[in-house]
Amino acid sequence: DVKVTQSSRYLVKRTGEKVFLECVQDMDHENMFWYRQDPGLGLRLIYFSYDVKMKEKGDIPEGYSVSREKKERFSLILESASTNQTSMYLCASSLTDGLNTEAFFGQGTRLTVV
Amino acid sequence: AQSVTQLDSQVPVFEEAPVELRCNYSSSVSVYLFWYVQYPNQGLQLLLKYLSGSTLVKGINGFEAEFNKSQTSFHLRKPSVHISDTAEYFCAVRPPGGGGSNYKLTFGKGTLLTVNP
Repeated sequence: DVKVTQSSRYLVKRTGEKVFLECVQDMDHENMFWYRQDPGLGLRLIYFSYDVKMKEKGDIPEGYSVSREKKERFSLILESASTNQTSMYLCASSLTDGLNTEAFFGQGTRLTVV
Repeated sequence: AQSVTQLDSQVPVFEEAPVELRCNYSSSVSVYLFWYVQYPNQGLQLLLKYLSGSTLVKGINGFEAEFNKSQTSFHLRKPSVHISDTAEYFCAVRPPGGGGSNYKLTFGKGTLLTVNP
């Protein structure tokens, strides 16, 4: 089974801290994604990566950056955490194959910024 | 660009009743369509998908969905729900084929299905 693992289920950070959210997948997927989930807003794409060291902005990249130094790992970075970044963060991965279309999701990291 | 509208934010039903969760999409090109389910405190799990071919798609846990191109809809149905179906359901789209940003999924805002005894 494909496994997408997010390093923390729950995090509490202070305003202004630099925060790292880590995601690892074990199925050699080329594509990796970071989504943010808020009540009533669904999932919104922050960044995605289709190859090592490659990244593209999603719909809400402001205040975030990403790093993909190895194929299996995709990190989301909050340079200076703010209270409006309190949210559920979901990582996903998928193959670069037009017919293998499923995206696999991690369990999520619930981040609270105080 | 694509967009997805889930017409109901909450759907309460009684156990063993049928349910339909509605999804409409907007796109200037053809799309792949998906339904995902999220149980409390978990990530998303694929229920079913439509890529091409038969417009009636069957998924896991007894769910099915029908693609209607003229109405740009992909409604999810189950003839008889169980308490364990209580979850949030997300409709999503992406362009077909491969290449860079084609792999991005665009999600609707979700429908919370609550099944009551």
